[in-house]
Amino acid sequence: DSGVTQTPKHLITATGQRVTLRCSPRSGDLSVYWYQQSLDQGLQFLIQYYNGEERAKGNILERFSAQQFPDLHSELNLSSLELGDSALYFCASSDRRGSSRANVLTFGAGSRLTVL
Amino acid sequence: QKEVEQDPGPLSVPEGAIVSLNCTYSNSAFQYFMWYRQYSRKGPELLMYTYSSGNKEDGRFTAQVDKSSKYISLFIRDSQPSDSATYLCAMRSYKLSFGAGTTVTVRA
Repeated sequence: DSGVTQTPKHLITATGQRVTLRCSPRSGDLSVYWYQQSLDQGLQFLIQYYNGEERAKGNILERFSAQQFPDLHSELNLSSLELGDSALYFCASSDRRGSSRANVLTFGAGSRLTVL
Repeated sequence: QKEVEQDPGPLSVPEGAIVSLNCTYSNSAFQYFMWYRQYSRKGPELLMYTYSSGNKEDGRFTAQVDKSSKYISLFIRDSQPSDSATYLCAMRSYKLSFGAGTTVTVRA
């Protein structure tokens, strides 16, 4: 167990629907990252939050949004789902800025989304 | 051109062989270099972390960084079937960029 908890583990839904993926970071970690991994695209960075604020944005679609709450857990919202959104979605967390491990990400087990 | 290039393989080796994995990159701003291991349908886990050119050893694993050539390597000595996984290189400036991952199978 990495200490990063993601729910749900598996999700099957239909095109046009909306889903929410949840992540609890490792205890003490302030940064949360979201990644998408599909077979043909590898691990793609979506977005990062640090202590509740958006810190960096990657290839995140406008249909996707995320937030980090005061208790540091994070949610990734995916709406108007398309077949191509089927993928593994990983959350990762890292230590506070300035620490020796700030650059090291600890990943959760992922949420597997299937859009039919 | 991708920031980080990694041969996706697959790579199949007999047990006990040395596994050699490589990544090249184009962004001179990358300062921190990592290797992650990902078993099928699991989250990536950190194997090696370094921020300087040269070699770093941890048990059967050696990470090598050559900043002048923009090239990093991971060597696995005395490979075991349990090393069968996808290995992803990652490097960081202001954000972490991953290679595509190389799938390795170690045959018993």
